[in-house]
Amino acid sequence: KAGVTQTPRYLIKTRGQQVTLSCSPISGHRSVSWYQQTPGQGLQFLFEYFSETQRNKGNFPGRFSGRQFSNSRSEMNVSTLELGDSALYLCASSSPPGRGLNSYNEQFFGPGTRLTVL
Amino acid sequence: GESVGLHLPTLSVQEGDNSIINCAYSNSASDYFIWYKQESGKGPQFIIDIRSNMDKRQGQRVTVLLNKTVKHLSLQIAATQPGDSAVYFCAEIPFGGNQFYFGTGTSLTVIP
Repeated sequence: KAGVTQTPRYLIKTRGQQVTLSCSPISGHRSVSWYQQTPGQGLQFLFEYFSETQRNKGNFPGRFSGRQFSNSRSEMNVSTLELGDSALYLCASSSPPGRGLNSYNEQFFGPGTRLTVL
Repeated sequence: GESVGLHLPTLSVQEGDNSIINCAYSNSASDYFIWYKQESGKGPQFIIDIRSNMDKRQGQRVTVLLNKTVKHLSLQIAATQPGDSAVYFCAEIPFGGNQFYFGTGTSLTVIP
């Protein structure tokens, strides 16, 4: 079974530009979550999509947005880029609940997109 | 908001020794905990999990201990190997929650 894939793997942008990142979840997974990872802050939750609807949102400004398509693929967009947006952006897809030890969705992470804002 | 943090951002151990990575959490309603391993250039990978009604759980060479009294979580790696070198994160989710909260990570370096 193929894992979570993210494209592109690396991206360099300048301040003020906008960027779109893509995530393809594991086949059969309907939930996709996005995280921002920086050395100082660790993994910060951005948002989660399930069946094309944003189900949960973290504490990020409105410049960060996302969407999910009918095939569960997801995109996130960052507009008006700032230097502080430089980070590794991780996507995670979730298996159906009720598996494993608990009723929480186990998350499988992609390799991330490394965004550098100059 | 939630606060999940790790003691000792870096840890170096000799190959073959045991490693202990610690994590503190602030939410007493935390119900489920996961340890992730992140190697360079890769996303986090699930290692082991534990629920709040458990004190200990063992996997292959790894053990997670949960102390709810002091809100502390630890990951023990037995006979550490060079391939264990990575950043380790703890994550927690409160009871009934749908969002994971991650610690900042501890970088483990195994010295051959």
